[in-house]
Amino acid sequence: AQSVAQPEDQVNVAEGNPLTVKCTYSVSGNPYLFWYVQYPNRGLQFLLKYITGDNLVKGSYGFEAEFNKSQTSFHLKKPSALVSDSALYFCAVRDDTGGFKTIFGAGTRLFVKA
Amino acid sequence: ETGVTQSPTHLIKTRGQQVTLRCSSQSGHNTVSWYQQALGQGPQFIFQYYREEENGRGNFPPRFSGLQFPNYSSELNVNALELDDSALYLCASRTEGGYGYTFGSGTRLTVV
Repeated sequence: AQSVAQPEDQVNVAEGNPLTVKCTYSVSGNPYLFWYVQYPNRGLQFLLKYITGDNLVKGSYGFEAEFNKSQTSFHLKKPSALVSDSALYFCAVRDDTGGFKTIFGAGTRLFVKA
Repeated sequence: ETGVTQSPTHLIKTRGQQVTLRCSSQSGHNTVSWYQQALGQGPQFIFQYYREEENGRGNFPPRFSGLQFPNYSSELNVNALELDDSALYLCASRTEGGYGYTFGSGTRLTVV
C-alpha cells in the first residue's frame, strides 16, 4: 500500500532563513506526490504536486519540492521563510490501487519566528 | 475564496444519533472525497465518489455512508455515532483527470 511519512512533528526556523519540511514515501509504481498546507480552522490548501518530469517542482507562495527517487523523498522547501508561513503542512500520495484515494501523512507544524 | 462549501461548520450530537454533513463543490468537480481529521492528526480517507458512484473506500465501518448528486453536491452520513467520531470532517473535490484537490473548511463534529 502507498504511504507517506513525515519524520518531524515540528520545524522551527527564523524568518528569512531557508526552510525544509521532510517527507518520505513508499509506493508501488509511479508516485503521485503532493504537499498541502492547513491554517487554523481551515481546510487544506493545495501547494504543489509531482506527477512526472523535473525533480524540482515549483508551487504556490514560493514553495518548491524536490523529488528524489533513490531516497524516496519529497521534501518541501522555501528559500526564505515568512512568519505567515507558520502552519501545518501535509505530504500526500495518491493511491490508485484498490480504489482511488489520497493518503496523507501525519503533518508537520512549521513555526517561523520573527 | 474556496470553491468548496461545507455545512454546518460546527455540530454537537449525542452518542447513538445520526448525522448528515453536506458539501457543495465547484462546477465540473465530479470527484469528491471525504476525510476525517482527528485533533493533531492527518486527514484519514473515508471514501470517494466519482459521477455519483463510490469508487474508493478507506478503513471506516459501513455506518459511514455517502451520496453524490448531479449538481456537484454530496453528503456524508454517519449512523450510531460514537464518541470517537468527534473530529473535523473535510470534503475535497477535483475535476476529472485533475490531481490536486480543493478542500472545504470542514465541519467540526462533537459527539457527547
